[in-house]
Amino acid sequence: KQEVTQIPAALSVPEGENLVLNCSFTDSAIYNLQWFRQDPGKGLTSLLLIQSSQREQTSGRLNASLDKSSGRSTLYIAASQPGDSATYLCASEGMDSSYKLIFGSGTRLLVRP
Amino acid sequence: GAVVSQHPSWVICKSGTSVKIECRSLDFQATTMFWYRQFPKQSLMLMATSNEGSKATYEQGVEKDKFLINHASLTLSTLTVTSAHPEDSSFYICSAREIMGEGMDTQYFGPGTRLTVL
Repeated sequence: KQEVTQIPAALSVPEGENLVLNCSFTDSAIYNLQWFRQDPGKGLTSLLLIQSSQREQTSGRLNASLDKSSGRSTLYIAASQPGDSATYLCASEGMDSSYKLIFGSGTRLLVRP
Repeated sequence: GAVVSQHPSWVICKSGTSVKIECRSLDFQATTMFWYRQFPKQSLMLMATSNEGSKATYEQGVEKDKFLINHASLTLSTLTVTSAHPEDSSFYICSAREIMGEGMDTQYFGPGTRLTVL
């Protein structure tokens, strides 16, 4: 059974700092790995999706990498801004064609002005 | 991107009553939708997979008679929490899968419904 873990659970950084969020998964047989952002009391916004055959994806100041062999993905945020403050969730989709997403517990990020 | 809506956005009800939550895909058809539950400061836990025209598939530990799911059309799935109790208070989020083909299928998430059972 797939288990997804995110470290750290919470992170507070000053504005402008570059930061890395970590996601690990136990079963490397994944179809894709996705990063989401969730603001308090809101739904999820998809940030980046990495197919199993890809190594990384980039969107603006965000870069996500995937290393299936080690069961790890990272989300890199460059030049962080207070508006980046949110909870970041990673989720894996398995190869079983069920389309189910297994979510990590999330990292709560606070970017201080 | 595609849009998924949920209604209501929040609801307060008395213990013992039933509450229906709607999930709609506004600009695409979704044969598969998902229902998640999220407790405060915790991650999303998949409750069930809703399949258009057939019975929902529930995850282990989720009571199908308590959480009734109906996916009557390609754009609408409903979750009914029957005989709600305070422990059912949670944030319920749905997602809908848009089929794009060539490995580009994407799940879009609704804004969530906050349920409070008194």
